Amino acid sequence: DIQMTQSPSSVSVSVGDSVTMTCRASQNIGNWLAWYQQKPGKAPKLLIYSASSLHTGVSLSVSGSGFGTDFTLTINNLQPEDVATYYCQQSNSFPPTFGGGTKVEIK
Amino acid sequence: EVRLEESGGDLVQPGGSLRLACVASGFTFSSYWMHWVRQVPGKGLVWVSRIHGDSVSTAYADSVRGRFTVSRDNAKNTIYLQMNNLRVEDTAVYYCARDRENYDTLDYWGQGTLVSVSS
Repeated sequence: DIQMTQSPSSVSVSVGDSVTMTCRASQNIGNWLAWYQQKPGKAPKLLIYSASSLHTGVSLSVSGSGFGTDFTLTINNLQPEDVATYYCQQSNSFPPTFGGGTKVEIK
Repeated sequence: EVRLEESGGDLVQPGGSLRLACVASGFTFSSYWMHWVRQVPGKGLVWVSRIHGDSVSTAYADSVRGRFTVSRDNAKNTIYLQMNNLRVEDTAVYYCARDRENYDTLDYWGQGTLVSVSS
């Protein structure tokens, strides 16, 4: 199985600042990467697919980039409602696998 | 509006069985692959199973293969997860999710149902 490693595991950011988190795949996955946001007590929501494409209705303050093994998710102008855990997931090879998550908190 | 609603979670003893259901609405159900993903409270997401729109193809994580069976009834817009020989480590919130374009990217998720396996 492809291993997905996210860093940092948690980060504390001030309102209005930007935050960038990374996801590394154990082998080349092309652009077969998605990012999900999970708020406390809620189901995950798709943010980004194909590494950089924004899912319907997702704020333009969110962006994704990367190809191959290294990927990033950036949230600009962080707001209190962005407090959540963010997961990456590869869909290049079976089985689909998720990273361990990056928890974003407000400083 | 795409909606997915799971049900069937419960407290069950080790070795027991449970059937989860997920009712979908707001889209042409039979056209989409559907998935089950689970999450131990406080932990990360783990993919469990997938079923194609025509039910011909199914797939499972190694940890549940041979014990869990995914199925669907397109007339009822519902997928199921039959869980047999449950183990303590199967305790988790189980989510159903729709596959965006049949490439294992999950674009809509249900609210989840909790399965607790304990004696």
